[in-house]
Amino acid sequence: EVRLLESGGGLVQPGGSLRLSCAASGFTFNNYAMSWVRQAPGKGLEWVSAISGSGGSTHYADSVKGRFTISRDNSKNSVYLEMNSLRVEDTAVYYCAKKGIGLVPAAITALYFQHWGQGTLVTASS
Amino acid sequence: AVQLTQSPASLSASVGDKVTITCRASQGISTALAWYQQKSGKPPKLLIYDASSLESGVPARFSGSGSGTDFTLTITSLQPADFATYYCQLFDSSPFTFGPGTRVDFK
Repeated sequence: EVRLLESGGGLVQPGGSLRLSCAASGFTFNNYAMSWVRQAPGKGLEWVSAISGSGGSTHYADSVKGRFTISRDNSKNSVYLEMNSLRVEDTAVYYCAKKGIGLVPAAITALYFQHWGQGTLVTASS
Repeated sequence: AVQLTQSPASLSASVGDKVTITCRASQGISTALAWYQQKSGKPPKLLIYDASSLESGVPARFSGSGSGTDFTLTITSLQPADFATYYCQLFDSSPFTFGPGTRVDFK
């Protein structure tokens, strides 16, 4: 059974930093691209970032580019999101998501999400 | 970047109704579209990928169609468990945008 468990959320002041973690199990982790997707309170889903299976390729939404960094440690079956210069509008539940099987599951292509974690809440507020 | 719109933004329906939700892309994306269902306080659940492929375990009353710019999600015979918000998502290239969502609630 695929399991994704996010952690690291919390309350942070605008301009501050936070690091989210996602621990994965139940599949061959380095075979799959991974992503972070967020959802502001009462709002829709917003894709944030993605990383390839090897970690060699990353993509970001324009709204977080230059402030957020995605990384992964395949030896620990974990993916991370380092968030700097946080803004009030970054307040959201952050979900870790695993790419669907597809033709090349490790690549950041055909990136739809077959499995999701339960999410971790990040609140940027003074 | 390709934008997605969904219509309607919300709808009210009864158990047993047929429901159709539309997703439109601002430029052609072939069949690189997925549909998700999300219930309050829960993560999204994948329903459809490649515009019309049913995810394993998803009831057959859900179906997807379309290609290029126009896509539909159809629920035949709406069930109590289907009252939720539905999102489309494009996945041909980054950014992997989601549509704004369609809320389906009780009439």
